[in-house]
Amino acid sequence: DTEVTQTPKHLVMGMTNKKSLKCEQHMGHRAMYWYKQKAKKPPELMFVYSYEKLSINESVPSRFSPECPNSSLLNLHLHALQPEDSALYLCASSQRQGTSPLHFGNGTRLTVT
Amino acid sequence: AQSVTQLGSHVSVSEGALVLLRCNYSSSVPPYLFWYVQYPNQGLQLLLKYTSAATLVKGINGFEAEFKKSETSFHLTKPSAHMSDAAEYFCAVRNQAGTALIFGKGTTLSVSS
Repeated sequence: DTEVTQTPKHLVMGMTNKKSLKCEQHMGHRAMYWYKQKAKKPPELMFVYSYEKLSINESVPSRFSPECPNSSLLNLHLHALQPEDSALYLCASSQRQGTSPLHFGNGTRLTVT
Repeated sequence: AQSVTQLGSHVSVSEGALVLLRCNYSSSVPPYLFWYVQYPNQGLQLLLKYTSAATLVKGINGFEAEFKKSETSFHLTKPSAHMSDAAEYFCAVRNQAGTALIFGKGTTLSVSS
């Protein structure tokens, strides 16, 4: 069982929809991450939050909007996505930013139609 | 800049045979190295990590890896493969700023009976 919980597991959305991905951890970790993973590729870092503040934004398009409401929750708001944004979106956490290890959730499989 | 290279995108072994997955790193500072495993439709699970303590690192599920500075390698091994080991394996290194992980392209391990 994973200690990082992501919902929903699957999401299909049209290019005009607005949706949100959610991530939750109760390990007391103060760093949380969003990764994007295309099929047969390694995860690519999108955002890092450290102590609920955005620390890293890897030049991600503005149609992806992260939010960290508190130390246990991480959201990724989606709007006007493109079909090429279809991927597995992984959330991860660690005790502090840069410390090891990362604990990953099972991801949200997103399909944009 | 830190990077990892995984040699062989696909490795096939028979059940009971030795597993050897290769990873070479490039780092301007003492590296923090990791191996993760990803089963189909799941997130990444930490197998083991090297953080400059012992050069031979033991992980979960019978896997181990040896850090060899002279060869800039961190290969993953398991003496006897099991069918349940079939998965995608990623080597990763912490970036120089110490803020995130950089993943290799991954190696798919197939195990035949």
